[in-house]
Amino acid sequence: GAVVSQHPSWVICKSGTSVKIECRSLDFQATTMFWYRQFPKQSLMLMATSNEGSKATYEQGVEKDKFLINHASLTLSTLTVTSAHPEDSSFYICSAEGPRTDTQYFGPGTRLTVL
Amino acid sequence: QQQVKQSPQSLIVQKGGISIINCAYENTAFDYFPWYQQFPGKGPALLIAIRPDVSEKKEGRFTISFNKSAKQFSLHIMDSQPGDSATYFCAAGGQGFSFIFGKGTRLLVKP
Repeated sequence: GAVVSQHPSWVICKSGTSVKIECRSLDFQATTMFWYRQFPKQSLMLMATSNEGSKATYEQGVEKDKFLINHASLTLSTLTVTSAHPEDSSFYICSAEGPRTDTQYFGPGTRLTVL
Repeated sequence: QQQVKQSPQSLIVQKGGISIINCAYENTAFDYFPWYQQFPGKGPALLIAIRPDVSEKKEGRFTISFNKSAKQFSLHIMDSQPGDSATYFCAAGGQGFSFIFGKGTRLLVKP
């Protein structure tokens, strides 16, 4: 139980285009989902906290207009990287707060490469 | 006050040995301490977690030791296996808190 999926698992796009990443909780409802960014050999950096039906809360330094988050249902949150640039290339991981609050279950991650 | 300090940064252990990773936190309001295991190119997977009401929790070869007064907790991997080679992250969180992650420990278990 408590499985989180992400789609796509990897994406390559041209600079200036937008990319949407989906995060789904497959067997539980998640009121809260989180989006992280991870650079090679580094820890997870929380980008934003997403609550179903309300606006996401962004961490300091994260551009909300660049990283659009939508949490339209209890099982789906999306992250859209708008006007992507090479410096946005990274590993993006979502997590969902599990059936028991406090526990976060992570998706498999999405590798974004912007050319 | 929001940091979680994790050590060592990297660790090499022989097969069958004990791997020990330590974390220290600052905020006494944290009440949930999970450990995650991450393989290259994959998302972190919840390994084991503990709350402050117990000093130790064991699941198979994995044990968390928790010292509330010292604000420290550690992960012990008994009988370490090459398949345990991964990056391990500790975290601290709880009701009303986003997770604060340690910087990770890269574990290599040599056959």
